[in-house]
Amino acid sequence: QKEVEQNSGPLSVPEGAIASLNCTYSDRGSQSFFWYRQYSGKSPELIMFIYSNGDKEDGRFTAQLNKASQYVSLLIRDSQPSDSATYLCAVEETNRDDKIIFGKGTRLHILP
Amino acid sequence: DTGVSQDPRHKITKRGQNVTFRCDPISEHNRLYWYRQTLGQGPEFLTYFQNEAQLEKSRLLSDRFSAERPKGSFSTLEIQRTEQGDSAMYLCASSLDVFTTYGYTFGSGTRLTVV
Repeated sequence: QKEVEQNSGPLSVPEGAIASLNCTYSDRGSQSFFWYRQYSGKSPELIMFIYSNGDKEDGRFTAQLNKASQYVSLLIRDSQPSDSATYLCAVEETNRDDKIIFGKGTRLHILP
Repeated sequence: DTGVSQDPRHKITKRGQNVTFRCDPISEHNRLYWYRQTLGQGPEFLTYFQNEAQLEKSRLLSDRFSAERPKGSFSTLEIQRTEQGDSAMYLCASSLDVFTTYGYTFGSGTRLTVV
């Protein structure tokens, strides 16, 4: 059973601080990794993807990937109340360029 | 609106009734996915179409569930003889062949409540 593991939270972070969200996955052959943001009652929205080891930055967001450790993380700098949401980690299945598996998500709460 | 469109947004039905949901993908996207999401869980894969061909069905999809995508355009998901355990958000997503770069684009979802 291929799994994507996330701490369900809630993770509470003061406004302006760095929020760090973590994800581990079991499928060693996975090549592509995604972070989705989901506001309560809404559908998931893609915010980051990464497929190479190391860091990828996009505005206040940085995705970090370590394939050897099967670990993906998302850093949110200068956290804002509008960042309060559930963050879903998603992983491409090995040898599948057409299907991704989601974790259960981490609830993030930014404290004003 | 050029996004993924789902209809209806909400559906309340009595146990045992049949329901049908519709999804209109982004027009140039040839792949279409159905996922189900319950409270506190991530989206779970149900089925997937490449153009009009249904390429995979999850074991979560019992015989009461059927999906179609005639002519490779919109898709419908039907649930027959609904059960309370079917209550969930049903999400449709679409993508291009190179989805690994762009990921899925989700619709707003259909929230089903079985009473």
